[in-house]
Amino acid sequence: GAGVSQSPSNKVTEKGKDVELRCDPISGHTALYWYRQSLGQGLEFLIYFQGNSAPDKSGLPSDRFSAERTGGSVSTLTIQRTQQEDSAVYLCASSLVWEGYTFGSGTRLTVV
Amino acid sequence: AQTVTQSQPEMSVQEAETVTLSCTYDTSESDYYLFWYKQPPSRQMILVIRQEAYKQQNATENRFSVNFQKAAKSFSLKISDSQLGDAAMYFCAYRSGSRGNTPLVFGKGTRLSVIA
Repeated sequence: GAGVSQSPSNKVTEKGKDVELRCDPISGHTALYWYRQSLGQGLEFLIYFQGNSAPDKSGLPSDRFSAERTGGSVSTLTIQRTQQEDSAVYLCASSLVWEGYTFGSGTRLTVV
Repeated sequence: AQTVTQSQPEMSVQEAETVTLSCTYDTSESDYYLFWYKQPPSRQMILVIRQEAYKQQNATENRFSVNFQKAAKSFSLKISDSQLGDAAMYFCAYRSGSRGNTPLVFGKGTRLSVIA
């Protein structure tokens, strides 16, 4: 596609529910990244995928967070048993190796 | 681990004037890249400018330029002839250049307001 697409744009969920956030990267981009942006904070790295290599999960804050990337394209970030502190904007980006990132518009998650 | 510090949470500038946003970083690496990203209210992160550490010449993109001081580990962004559309959050970011396609490390951002 022309850009990185994220869905949904906004998500409100009840505490304790599971949520899935989707990212559709630019076709052909080998690297895909997930970041979390909390109110008034910078971007916190969560996880990244590079080609067929094992993902770098070093930024995931707890085992309630997981992500997968199917067929080297679409990625899904799953948060289980959501907590209020999970409320944030979740940003996805993709890139070719050694290039700058192209970001999606993010998913704003609100846990009530 | 690398860190990026933006010491100005908020800045303001009059339309048509010049403003400089500060960024410092901490690294033991010699090969790296530095970036400035703009995030308007739409949430879309937009790459403003990029600097390779091995290049001594400061990067320039139209009204945007950087002052890259490698020894001081400083990477400030200068916006000339500020426009209302420049109002946004600005993030400074670092990426290692020697370890493949590693994630960007971001500062906490500076919110820039442009006054008409």
